[in-house]
Amino acid sequence: GAVVSQHPSWVICKSGTSVKIECRSLDFQATTMFWYRQFPKQSLMLMATSNEGSKATYEQGVEKDKFLINHASLTLSTLTVTSAHPEDSSFYICSARDVVKNEKLFFGSGTQLSVL
Amino acid sequence: GENVEQHPSTLSVQEGDSAVIKCTYSDSASNYFPWYKQELGKRPQLIIDIRSNVGEKKDQRIAVTLNKTAKHFSLHITETQPEDSAVYFCAAASGYALNFGKGTSLLVTP
Repeated sequence: GAVVSQHPSWVICKSGTSVKIECRSLDFQATTMFWYRQFPKQSLMLMATSNEGSKATYEQGVEKDKFLINHASLTLSTLTVTSAHPEDSSFYICSARDVVKNEKLFFGSGTQLSVL
Repeated sequence: GENVEQHPSTLSVQEGDSAVIKCTYSDSASNYFPWYKQELGKRPQLIIDIRSNVGEKKDQRIAVTLNKTAKHFSLHITETQPEDSAVYFCAAASGYALNFGKGTSLLVTP
């Protein structure tokens, strides 16, 4: 399958700081990437859809000013958690669609964020 | 929006037995149904998928069936092995984004 790289794999930060997570499609171009959030033993919840060259589309209840998404190229999307608080601690996973393979969606390895 | 229900939430089977996980969806426009396997602390891995123009698809020990009329689809794992133990997620898509079920924790005991 296609490869999606996500960094960092884990991060610990103090409350009030900002954290940037990168998601790269390594062997295909992704005009659309998706950011999911997963709490322990729960399902993946879609946060936002990242579109190359345009503004991201956020799901209901997700604060766009808190979770900044930038999709500047066909292979890179970034999620910045601004002024992180303990309740933002979660597993964040990006995914990208390989348009050549139609709907198939491939996931990054995830980022475990812990806010102290 | 799309609502995906998944059952059961936990499933325990003995090695060699079959396991079946069922999902229903609400949006009749959904046309793509993948299944993901997620081991603890790791990314979800696509294991099989089916499109709405197909009723059944099989890949070795894994099969998926789709009933568009009833809006439900199922994952079947035969001859289960301990390494099949993981959380399995179904999903449905009518556009670009996937909506996931809540997951099924499968435990295969030797």
